[in-house]
Amino acid sequence: GAGVSQSPRYKVAKRGQDVALRCDPISGHVSLFWYQQALGQGPEFLTYFQNEAQLDKSGLPSDRFFAERPEGSVSTLKIQRTQQEDSAVYLCASSLGGAGGYTFGSGTRLTVV
Amino acid sequence: EDQVTQSPEALRLQEGESSSLNCSYTVSGLRGLFWYRQDPGKGPEFLFTLYSAGEEKEKERLKATLTKKESFLHITAPKPEDSATYLCAVVVNSGYALNFGKGTSLLVTP
Repeated sequence: GAGVSQSPRYKVAKRGQDVALRCDPISGHVSLFWYQQALGQGPEFLTYFQNEAQLDKSGLPSDRFFAERPEGSVSTLKIQRTQQEDSAVYLCASSLGGAGGYTFGSGTRLTVV
Repeated sequence: EDQVTQSPEALRLQEGESSSLNCSYTVSGLRGLFWYRQDPGKGPEFLFTLYSAGEEKEKERLKATLTKKESFLHITAPKPEDSATYLCAVVVNSGYALNFGKGTSLLVTP
């Protein structure tokens, strides 16, 4: 597609629920990143994929967070047993590779009540 | 530890009043410095990439410059539509992910 597409745009979850956030990157982009952005803060790195390989998951806050990109295109970020502190905007970005050309999606705003 | 610090946190300008946003960085080795613009409810939108000290890039009313310690985003004669949060981020030599500052929230009033 023309840009990075994320769905849903908004998600309200009850505490303890599992959620799945989807990212559809730009076609042909090798690299895919997930970021978490709290209100009034800059995005914080969560995890990085090169094609289907998850090369870095050092930013995932806990083992409740899991990400996958099984065919090297669409990626899903899953959060199990959501907590209030998980409330944030989750951004996905993709790039061809190298240090440049990172394109972001509009994000998914997750609210845990 | 790699650090990116943006100042000021917030800036209010009158239309036409030029100013500069600062991004200071402490990294082991800089691969690239990026400026993004973020509007409410949207993802960051790419503005510039700078790779080496002395480099400058321009786009409309915006000009980004880079030294070995900091980058400036100069806004000349801003308009209300320039109101947004401006984010600075670095990628280090050994890395690939953007490391962001907290951003500067800019409001331009008519």
